[in-house]
Amino acid sequence: EDQVTQSPEALRLQEGESSSLNCSYTVSGLRGLFWYRQDPGKGPEFLFTLYSAGEEKEKERLKATLTKKESFLHITAPKPEDSATYLCAVQETGFQKLVFGTGTRLLVSP
Amino acid sequence: GAGVSQSPSNKVTEKGKDVELRCDPISGHTALYWYRQSLGQGLEFLIYFQGNSAPDKSGLPSDRFSAERTGGSVSTLTIQRTQQEDSAVYLCASSPFNDGYTFGSGTRLTVV
Repeated sequence: EDQVTQSPEALRLQEGESSSLNCSYTVSGLRGLFWYRQDPGKGPEFLFTLYSAGEEKEKERLKATLTKKESFLHITAPKPEDSATYLCAVQETGFQKLVFGTGTRLLVSP
Repeated sequence: GAGVSQSPSNKVTEKGKDVELRCDPISGHTALYWYRQSLGQGLEFLIYFQGNSAPDKSGLPSDRFSAERTGGSVSTLTIQRTQQEDSAVYLCASSPFNDGYTFGSGTRLTVV
């Protein structure tokens, strides 16, 4: 069965303090790994899809990377508006559903 | 519309009552998903619709849950004889090519 584990559960950073969030996964065949951002009371907002080991994607202060066993979401010089829960999900080859991790709650203090 | 619209945004119902949750996907999106998010847990897949194909119902937790999608657009998730454990946020997402799903803001269901 697909497994997605995110760490840490919660992370508190000072503004400008770079860090990384981890997503470890177990899947028979990976079709795609997804990163979402979720603000309180809202639905998840799509950030990235990664398809193969070695792939990297960037958007503003965020950079996502992928290996055969895990993905990292690197946050460079974060700002308070980056505070949110970041969700990782995997899609197995031949299946349509996404399997989500429980997320990392990020708080960036000014 | 510009995004995925879900209604109602909040629903409080008595245990044993039936509820209907509605999802209006982005126009032209052929794939539609329902997920459930409980406090402290990850999103749980419920059901998937793709065009005119038979839906993937493998995530529905019991036969009290059902969903339909009319005309390839609007979807309704129905929960019969609601139980307290059904309390959660129910999220709908749509996608044009099964990638980069766009989620709605969800319906917060509270069963009292």
